[in-house]
Amino acid sequence: AQKITQTQPGMFVQEKEAVTLDCTYDTSDPSYGLFWYKQPSSGEMIFLIYQGSYDQQNATEGRYSLNFQKARKSANLVISASQLGDSAMYFCAMRERGAQKLVFGQGTRLTINP
Amino acid sequence: NAGVTQTPKFRILKIGQSMTLQCAQDMNHNYMYWYRQDPGMGLKLIYYSVGAGITDKGEVPNGYNVSRSTTEDFPLRLELAAPSQTSVYFCASSNRDGNEKLLFGSGTQLSVL
Repeated sequence: AQKITQTQPGMFVQEKEAVTLDCTYDTSDPSYGLFWYKQPSSGEMIFLIYQGSYDQQNATEGRYSLNFQKARKSANLVISASQLGDSAMYFCAMRERGAQKLVFGQGTRLTINP
Repeated sequence: NAGVTQTPKFRILKIGQSMTLQCAQDMNHNYMYWYRQDPGMGLKLIYYSVGAGITDKGEVPNGYNVSRSTTEDFPLRLELAAPSQTSVYFCASSNRDGNEKLLFGSGTQLSVL
């Protein structure tokens, strides 16, 4: 069964610093996709970045990058040069190939301090 | 604007009442999903559909029903509402499985008192 674990309930970071949000996963399927979503206080779910299990390079989207370590089954989100607007809940999620559902972790609440 | 539209945004129900949460998408997506999010928690899958006429249970289906008569619409029905169903409900859709991201609606805040 798919399982996603985010071990950091909350993170506090100074503005302009880089921050890493941890995500580990468990699956027996060799083909899967990993996603990160941001949920600001307004409540909407915003897609940030995607990494496929067969992708050779780590995914990047602007200030977001995904540190994908397949052997360790980890898919950490790295935010460079953090901004006050980055304060939000962040969710890691996984979908196995052929499986229709996206399974979410518990989330990490990131607070950026000025 | 194209996307996933959920209605209503807020609703208060009394215990035992029933209601339908509406979800519509105009992107011709085959896959549609209903998630619930309890305070401070992640999202849990209630039901999903891979196409018109096809639905299946997710992790927490008890107390809910769905139907998918068209590609565009995927309503979620709550029968005999209970306080445990107080939550934020999200509808989402995607074009296919695999690497296709889910696009979410803005959510419905439901309170059962």
